[in-house]
Amino acid sequence: DTAVSQTPKYLVTQMGNDKSIKCEQNLGHDTMYWYKQDSKKFLKIMFSYNNKELIINETVPNRFSPKSPDKAHLNLHINSLELGDSAVYFCATRGGGGETQYFGPGTRLLVL
Amino acid sequence: QKEVEQNSGPLSVPEGAIASLNCTYSDRGSQSFFWYRQYSGKSPELIMFIYSNGDKEDGRFTAQLNKASQYVSLLIRDSQPSDSATYLCAVARSGGGADGLTFGKGTHLIIQP
Repeated sequence: DTAVSQTPKYLVTQMGNDKSIKCEQNLGHDTMYWYKQDSKKFLKIMFSYNNKELIINETVPNRFSPKSPDKAHLNLHINSLELGDSAVYFCATRGGGGETQYFGPGTRLLVL
Repeated sequence: QKEVEQNSGPLSVPEGAIASLNCTYSDRGSQSFFWYRQYSGKSPELIMFIYSNGDKEDGRFTAQLNKASQYVSLLIRDSQPSDSATYLCAVARSGGGADGLTFGKGTHLIIQP
């Protein structure tokens, strides 16, 4: 049973489209994150959710919006996709009183 | 701007030798420090974390933290070809809670058979 899962694994789309990436965790963790890893492999945090409340929101464009329907899910909606949005997006979770984060397998987004 | 700096490499080490990976951070309020390993095309996986000054050992891995110098390192003893990967240093922001990690750009380690 995968602890942190993401769908889809790959996403190829055209500029201007709207897309969503889903993340689900079965660890019972309270906090979930979205990270973006660019073509130079630099991993940068985008959002954090704790008990369905947005805790931090980095300087990302408002075309990106996280949605958490429940504690086990944190989805990422992206409107009006741009070429620069091409990257690998990782979901991560944290819980159990520690600061260790567990990463999902990633979603590879390619905007054409 | 909180930053984490790493030498991007590649760092080439012969099999069986000690690989030494270094990281500096700018935020003096940082409380927790992590080393993640990332194989090409895979997600980051936690190798070690350290909170207190000094050394922390786990098998072939030793993390070293010096908060006064704002420096954290990872030593890999008896390096194996399977250790070839990108190693990401990460820092938990001050304030704790749900704050995310600030990552360095990673060091690409190559273990030569």
